[in-house]
Amino acid sequence: DIQMTQSPSTLSASVGDRVTITCRASQSISRWLAWYQQKPGKAPELLIYDASNLESGVPSRFSGTGSGTEFALSISGLQPDDFATYYCQQYETFSTFGQGTKVEMK
Amino acid sequence: EVQLLESGGGLVQPGGPLRLSCAASGFTFSSYAMSWVRQAPGKGLEWVSGIVGGGRTYYADSMKGRFTISRDNSKNTVYLQMKSLGAEDTALYFCAKGRGSNIRDFEYWGQGTLVTVSS
Repeated sequence: DIQMTQSPSTLSASVGDRVTITCRASQSISRWLAWYQQKPGKAPELLIYDASNLESGVPSRFSGTGSGTEFALSISGLQPDDFATYYCQQYETFSTFGQGTKVEMK
Repeated sequence: EVQLLESGGGLVQPGGPLRLSCAASGFTFSSYAMSWVRQAPGKGLEWVSGIVGGGRTYYADSMKGRFTISRDNSKNTVYLQMKSLGAEDTALYFCAKGRGSNIRDFEYWGQGTLVTVSS
């Protein structure tokens, strides 16, 4: 199985900050990576697919970069609605999620 | 509008079976891969199984042999048959629609059905 490792596990930030979450794959996954946002009690929502494509309706402050084994999700100008948990997902071979990164208010 | 509605969750005894269903609407069901993803209480997301448009099935290693995914394109429904359930299978089980006919990113998710394994 391909393992996905996110860092950090928790990130403390303030409204307006630029934050970056990283995701590392245990082997190359090309650009077969997605990012999701999940709020408590809700289903995850797709933000980014194919490493850098913004899903329709997602604000442009979200962006994704990377290929191979190293990926990043950035949020430029953190908004109150962005405090949530974020997951990366590989789909090069079946599917695997990272363990999640909780973005909390500083 | 795409809708995914899971059902079949509940309380089950350790070692018992359970079948989950996901009724889909708003898209050409037979053309898309469907997956089950679960989330144990307070934990992260775990991909469980997927079935592509052509019917081939895939499983996470820890589910192989215990879980069976299937689909009925005439009913626009995907199923997850689970057996030999243990406490570690207690989770909210989500149904998710893939972007295309193969397993890839999940554009749409249901609200989940809760499975509790306990005596």
